[in-house]
Amino acid sequence: EPEVTQTPSHQVTQMGQEVILRCVPISNHLYFYWYRQILGQKVEFLVSFYNNEISEKSEIFDDQFSVERPDGSNFTLKIRSTKLEDSAMYFCASSGRTSYNEQFFGPGTRLTVL
Amino acid sequence: EDQVTQSPEALRLQEGESSSLNCSYTVSGLRGLFWYRQDPGKGPEFLFTLYSAGEEKEKERLKATLTKKESFLHITAPKPEDSATYLCAVQAVAGGSYIPTFGRGTSLIVHP
Repeated sequence: EPEVTQTPSHQVTQMGQEVILRCVPISNHLYFYWYRQILGQKVEFLVSFYNNEISEKSEIFDDQFSVERPDGSNFTLKIRSTKLEDSAMYFCASSGRTSYNEQFFGPGTRLTVL
Repeated sequence: EDQVTQSPEALRLQEGESSSLNCSYTVSGLRGLFWYRQDPGKGPEFLFTLYSAGEEKEKERLKATLTKKESFLHITAPKPEDSATYLCAVQAVAGGSYIPTFGRGTSLIVHP
């Protein structure tokens, strides 16, 4: 069964460093998303991506964040200068037919900023 | 501001003891309501999408229903493997946005 994969599973970084979180969405999907979940908190939308451009972004997704689909399979989230409050689980998701229906989530990357 | 409230926060059931989880929402026009299951340390797993009041969907021991103000996830004769956190998310019509708002979830534990 096709699935969304994410690497690394856990990333530890120093405050101010850049991190890139990687995702491989399901191959025939067209819509891609990043979410985050701070420990014990609710899942929060960050950004959606379709047709090689950002469709929507939340207030969380400020200038420190960027997304890219560098090739036909990978989808990345870059945080340019990490802050302590960026520590969270980051989930990638993808959907096929229309935006936001039946989103398939990856296992997540746990980001720890020290 | 769109609001999604799930109750209870936590629920413990005995195997076979049916119950319901609640998701109440306040949005300016509902585009869709989603239920997900999340196991510890994993990403949410899609369960259902509901679009209009009166709609119902079923999958194995789970049944989701929708009214104009809330949705219920009914769990019939649960098994220990149903233990997980169940998340509700809503997508509003207003402003052309598709951004979903998630609730905090209900943590379900089913004891054998």
